[in-house]
Amino acid sequence: AQKVTQAQTEISVVEKEDVTLDCVYETRDTTYYLFWYKQPPSGELVFLIRRNSFDEQNEISGRYSWNFQKSTSSFNFTITASQVVDSAVYFCALSEERGFQKLVFGTGTRLLVSP
Amino acid sequence: AAGVIQSPRHLIKEKRETATLKCYPIPRHDTVYWYQQGPGQDPQFLISFYEKMQSDKGSIPDRFSAQQFSDYHSELNMSSLELGDSALYFCASSRRNYPNYGYTFGSGTRLTVV
Repeated sequence: AQKVTQAQTEISVVEKEDVTLDCVYETRDTTYYLFWYKQPPSGELVFLIRRNSFDEQNEISGRYSWNFQKSTSSFNFTITASQVVDSAVYFCALSEERGFQKLVFGTGTRLLVSP
Repeated sequence: AAGVIQSPRHLIKEKRETATLKCYPIPRHDTVYWYQQGPGQDPQFLISFYEKMQSDKGSIPDRFSAQQFSDYHSELNMSSLELGDSALYFCASSRRNYPNYGYTFGSGTRLTVV
């Protein structure tokens, strides 16, 4: 069965600090997809990244970076020089099998960035 | 670019009433998923449809039903509403076997049962 664990319930930082959100997953499939979504107070789910299980390259997009390590079943997300607008709940999610199936979400990490 | 459209954005219903939520997927997406997110919770998968056939089912109450129509839009019907049904309901769409088409969520419908 697939499972996603986000052990950090809430993180508080001061603006300009770097912060890493942890995500550990469990799956029996060799083909799977990992996602990160941002959910601001307005409620929508904003897509940040999708990574397939065969692509272990780390990715950087502006202040965001992702570290995918199959050896530890982790897909961590780092925000560099955090800003107040980064305050939101961040969800890591897993989808098994080819062609996309349902997403299983972690319980989310609430990030509070104060000025 | 076109996104997943959900309607209505907000809905207030009384207990025991019925509600219908609608979802219009991105063009050329053939799969629709429904999720329920209770207050302070993570989204939970309810049901999905591929090419108008139910493809997977999660913890969807028997009071809920859904279908996908010939134009690929989907409707989630909820009857005998309970206070616990108050939640954000998200629809997502994708194109099976074409992962590069993405997996996109709509803005959600916030249902409040009073």
